[in-house]
Amino acid sequence: EDKVVQSPLSLVVHEGDTVTLNCSYEVTNFRSLLWYKQEKKAPTFLFMLTSSGIEKKSGRLSSILDKKELFSILNITATQTGDSAIYLCAVEANTGNQFYFGTGTSLTVIP
Amino acid sequence: DAGITQSPRHKVTETGTPVTLRCHQTENHRYMYWYRQDPGHGLRLIHYSYGVKDTDKGEVSDGYSVSRSKTEDFLLTLESATSSQTSVYFCALRDRVGAGELFFGEGSRLTVL
Repeated sequence: EDKVVQSPLSLVVHEGDTVTLNCSYEVTNFRSLLWYKQEKKAPTFLFMLTSSGIEKKSGRLSSILDKKELFSILNITATQTGDSAIYLCAVEANTGNQFYFGTGTSLTVIP
Repeated sequence: DAGITQSPRHKVTETGTPVTLRCHQTENHRYMYWYRQDPGHGLRLIHYSYGVKDTDKGEVSDGYSVSRSKTEDFLLTLESATSSQTSVYFCALRDRVGAGELFFGEGSRLTVL
């Protein structure tokens, strides 16, 4: 059975801290891994990863994929209260037309 | 902004009644999806469409049907709503397989009493 597991389930940090969110997967015929940020409403896209070892970066956020060990991490440096959200990981398989989502990591950043 | 509109955004209904949620797009994306999001389960695929009148089931399709009679509209119908279908429903779009991310609508919160 295809599955995506995120850890931790929730995290509370202080502003300025650095956090690492984890996503491991068991998906047949992997195509890509995506990270989303979800505040109150719709998930918004952060990164798409298809190749191992190549870091994607956007401001204070970065992400990397390890296709051998079947996981990805999302790093957020110098966290701000605006980073408080649920972070979702999704994996797309080559077969079918589906994304498999993890349950998300809830991040709370305290001033 | 992928031009996605979901309606209604909030609905309260009673067990046994039919409910239809609508997803409307203005970007001519080929692929449209319906997900439900529940605590502890994340986003789970209900049905998706890969073109007009072309649909397929996802992992949690029981109790749901869909229709896509034109490119811009994808309807999700709960034929006889049950309390277990209380959830937040998200529509998502994609231009083509392998082409990048899903774009999500704002969600429709459904409560079945």
